[in-house]
Amino acid sequence: QVQLVESGGGVVQPGRSLRLSCEASGFTFSSFAMHWVRQAPGKGLEWVAGLSYHGSDKFYADSVKGRFTMSRDNSKNTVSLQMNSLRVEDTAVYYCAKDPSRLVEYGFLESWGQGTLVAVSS
Amino acid sequence: DIQMTQSPSSLSASVGDRVTITCRASQSISAYLNWYQQKPGRAPKLLIYTATSLQSGVPSRFSGSASGTDFTLTISSLQPEDFATYYCQQSDSAPFTFGGGTKVEIK
Repeated sequence: QVQLVESGGGVVQPGRSLRLSCEASGFTFSSFAMHWVRQAPGKGLEWVAGLSYHGSDKFYADSVKGRFTMSRDNSKNTVSLQMNSLRVEDTAVYYCAKDPSRLVEYGFLESWGQGTLVAVSS
Repeated sequence: DIQMTQSPSSLSASVGDRVTITCRASQSISAYLNWYQQKPGRAPKLLIYTATSLQSGVPSRFSGSASGTDFTLTISSLQPEDFATYYCQQSDSAPFTFGGGTKVEIK
């Protein structure tokens, strides 16, 4: 069965960087697009970034564009989110999610990890 | 960016009730509308994709419909395990925005 396990969350000061990872198993990782979605405490869901199966097509939310970079290593079944210039408003649980399609557009989030908490605070 | 307006933001209902949640897109998104259920402390779960397709394993009391830029999630007979928050999401064009959520509570 599909398993997605996020790691790398923690407490970080504003302006600093953090790298999240999501290790996938139970499916042919290199054949599917992946996404990151976040949820601030007590708030709704916010789509953050999406990456195609080959890693060439990347899409970002306006709120993170230029600060966050999504990447994948198909040899290690891992997708990452490099978060730079972190802000207090980036505080959230970050989920990685699997798309049933190869490309990011027109897909949906069929499987989710349990999330990792990022807290940005001085 | 496409805005997704979900209503109501919350509702109270009883077991056995028929519940309807609506999501309106700010522009045409064809049928690229998905619905998710989230329970407290848990990751979201996919219920419906491309407006009307039921995800495998999801009970048939859940259904989705579409009319232009208006989309509806219906629970035909609310069960105790359905008390949760529901979100719509468009996947027509990036950024793939979510609605604000609808919390379904016990009356």
